[in-house]
Amino acid sequence: VQLVESGGNLVPPGGSLRLSCAASGFTFSSYEMNWVRQAPGKGLEWISYISVGGINIFYADSVMGRFTISRDDAKTSLFLQMHNLRAEDTAIYYCARVGTTPSAPIGFDIWGQGTMVTVSS
Amino acid sequence: EIVMTQSPATLSVSPGERATLSCRASRSVRSNLAWYQQKPGQAPRLLIYGASTRATGIPARFSGSGSGTDFTLTITSLQSEDFAVYFCHQYNNWPPYTFGQGTKLEIK
Repeated sequence: VQLVESGGNLVPPGGSLRLSCAASGFTFSSYEMNWVRQAPGKGLEWISYISVGGINIFYADSVMGRFTISRDDAKTSLFLQMHNLRAEDTAIYYCARVGTTPSAPIGFDIWGQGTMVTVSS
Repeated sequence: EIVMTQSPATLSVSPGERATLSCRASRSVRSNLAWYQQKPGQAPRLLIYGASTRATGIPARFSGSGSGTDFTLTITSLQSEDFAVYFCHQYNNWPPYTFGQGTKLEIK
């Protein structure tokens, strides 16, 4: 069971970037997924969620209107399209799976290793 | 938005001793609370979910308790590999999912 992010880079303010998260070892299409970021030396900030089938999507206020989450179940991949990037978007971006039991969700049980996004001129 | 507050920010404990970390929610999250461990340069790892259930492969020295607004993560007989940052996370009322700011557990 593994998640592997890619796509992080150095981009200027106002730039765009697309992050990918490749899933393996589990039935990706059956799981809800999230993006969580962590600014250098800071805590964890949830930024986006996508449901099974992509029917429901949510964003944190800090990225609403600038970031778009999507998934391709055929390619077992999660994506985050980021536009109009700001210095405060500088962070490690993690994809994380919502774990479940037969009765309830259990938090984020699988995390990728993260990909670094640096927004700077 | 539910605000999660962890205390203390830093906890200094000697190996072999017990560590007690706290997490408080601004309103009830029932038992929908998880704890994660994060070591430098690594992703967070799920330790506890449902406030008190250990995730797969987590040693028995890790235990969680609480419900509603007040939660505790206890680590007994601290091992060298346990010194890390710990985050709590509520998944009861979302969006947004929210995390505590973290407690750094350091060697005394």
